[in-house]
Amino acid sequence: QVQLVESGGGLVKPGGSLRLSCAASGFTFSDYYMSWIRQAPGKGLEWVSYISSSSSYTNYADSVKGRFTISRDNAKNSLYLQMNSLRAEDTAVYYCASTNSSGWYGYWGQGTLVTVSS
Amino acid sequence: AIRITQSPSSLSASTGDRVTITCRASQGISSYLAWYQQKPGKAPKLLIYAASTLQSGVPSRFSGSGSGTDFTLTISCLQSEDFATYYCQQYYSYLLTFGGGTKVEIK
Repeated sequence: QVQLVESGGGLVKPGGSLRLSCAASGFTFSDYYMSWIRQAPGKGLEWVSYISSSSSYTNYADSVKGRFTISRDNAKNSLYLQMNSLRAEDTAVYYCASTNSSGWYGYWGQGTLVTVSS
Repeated sequence: AIRITQSPSSLSASTGDRVTITCRASQGISSYLAWYQQKPGKAPKLLIYAASTLQSGVPSRFSGSGSGTDFTLTISCLQSEDFATYYCQQYYSYLLTFGGGTKVEIK
């Protein structure tokens, strides 16, 4: 069955960096676009970034552009999010999710919590 | 970015009730809209895509309608397992956006 497992979350100070990973299994990872979507505590969902199946295209929400970088390794069935210059408002559960390039997300991971605090 | 206004933000209903949630886009998005259900502490679950196509395995009491700027999610006969928060999401624009969510609570 399809599995997406995020890791790498934790507590980091403002201005710090963190790298999230998402390990995929149960489907042909290299055929799917992937995204990071976050949810601040008690708040709604916010799309963060996506990457095309071959890494040719990436896009970012304005709130993270220039600070976050999405990447993937199809040989390792893995998705990544490098987060730099972290701010308190980046505190959230970060989900990885897959789409067949259409833009709706059929599979989600369980999420990893990122807390930015001094 | 396309703004999605979802209403109501919360509602109270009883088992067996018919529930309707709406999303309005700030510009036309054709039928590029999906609906998700999220329970506390869990990841969102896809219910509907392309405004009205039911995801495999989702009960038929869920239905979606609309196109352009106005969309509706209907739960025809609310069950106990349906108490959750619902989100819509547009994928017309490459800058994806979600509605603010509707929490469906027990009356």
